[in-house]
Amino acid sequence: AQTVTQSQPEMSVQEAETVTLSCTYDTSESNYYLFWYKQPPSRQMILVIRQEAYKQQNATENRFSVNFQKAAKSFSLKISDSQLGDTAMYFCAFMKQEGAQKLVFGQGTRLTINP
Amino acid sequence: SAVISQKPSRDICQRGTSLTIQCQVDSQVTMMFWYRQQPGQSLTLIATANQGSEATYESGFVIDKFPISRPNLTFSTLTVSNMSPEDSSIYLCSVEDPSIRGDTQYFGPGTRLTVL
Repeated sequence: AQTVTQSQPEMSVQEAETVTLSCTYDTSESNYYLFWYKQPPSRQMILVIRQEAYKQQNATENRFSVNFQKAAKSFSLKISDSQLGDTAMYFCAFMKQEGAQKLVFGQGTRLTINP
Repeated sequence: SAVISQKPSRDICQRGTSLTIQCQVDSQVTMMFWYRQQPGQSLTLIATANQGSEATYESGFVIDKFPISRPNLTFSTLTVSNMSPEDSSIYLCSVEDPSIRGDTQYFGPGTRLTVL
């Protein structure tokens, strides 16, 4: 079974700073996807970024980028020039490429951006 | 991207009763999913709902407690039956929208359920 671990329950940074959220996972699969989702206080889950395991290049989406280390089974999220609207719970998630399309989530990191 | 809506957005129910949650998508999607998010917790998949077939339930979730319907490619319901306070959670549906990107799930706004 796959597991996803987020070791930082809470983080807090000042606006405009850069912050990195950690995620590690455990799997015996070779092909899979990794995701970061954001859940603001309004509760709508929003996809932040997606990474295919077969791609060595790290995914980027504007101010959001990942550091994907497949051998280490690590998938961290970097938020550059953080904004107040980035305040949210951030969940790391894993999905096998083959078979059941099941997302396995980490426990989440509560990120607060302070003015 | 697909617009996903859920009804109700929140409800307060008495123990022993049942609540049916609706999930509506503005485009046809093959796969729909139902997740539970208990207070302060992460999300756990309840079941996968494909049109024209029985839902596939994850370990720890049974059809008698969480019956699911999927009558067409844009709609699904999840019923929480014979509720107890332990069922108090946010229930979220998600869909895969191949018109945007396959193998990626997009979530509805959720239904916050409180059982007294």
